[in-house]
Amino acid sequence: EEQLVESGGAVVQPGGSLRLSCAASGFTFDDYPMHWVRQAPGKGLEWVSLISWDGSNTWYADSVRGRFTISRDNSRNFLYLEINSLRPEDTAVYYCAKGRLLSNWFDPWGQGTLVTVSS
Amino acid sequence: EIVMTQSPATLSVSPGERVTLSCGASQSISTNLAWYQQIPGQAPRLLIYGADIRAAGIPARFSGSGSETEFSLTISSLQSEDFALYYCQQYHNRPPYTFGQGTRLEIQ
Repeated sequence: EEQLVESGGAVVQPGGSLRLSCAASGFTFDDYPMHWVRQAPGKGLEWVSLISWDGSNTWYADSVRGRFTISRDNSRNFLYLEINSLRPEDTAVYYCAKGRLLSNWFDPWGQGTLVTVSS
Repeated sequence: EIVMTQSPATLSVSPGERVTLSCGASQSISTNLAWYQQIPGQAPRLLIYGADIRAAGIPARFSGSGSETEFSLTISSLQSEDFALYYCQQYHNRPPYTFGQGTRLEIQ
């Protein structure tokens, strides 16, 4: 069974930093691009970032570019999201999700990890 | 950026009814569209990709249709477990991949 498990969410002060992790299992991790998607409390879904299967290419939403860094460790089957200069509007549940090589729908999703930015 | 618009925002229906949710794209996305179901407190679940292809394990009462800029998700006979939020998402070409704002199905 394909499974993704996020961790690393916390309460952080504005301007702070955090690293989120996503552990993958049940599939050949380095065959697939991976994504982060977030959902603010009571709001809809927002795509955040994509990393290619080998980590050589990355893409970001305008709202996070320059502050967030996506990376992966294919030897350990882990996906990461380094979040810097946190803002209150970054408060959300952050999901990792598996993509596809040429068609980036998201399946499966992890259970999510909550990041709260508050003083 | 491609803007996705879903309608209606909320739909009140009764179990057993047939319901159709709509999703529109601000420009042509061919059939590069997915639908997700989200039960409050849970992660989204893929229902449909390629506009009309059911994901593994998704019941046959869920069907998708459409192309270019207009899409729909139909649930042929609503079950109690279908009352949830539904999102469409486009994955046409390069990022950003955008979602609609969601449609909430509630019990009438």
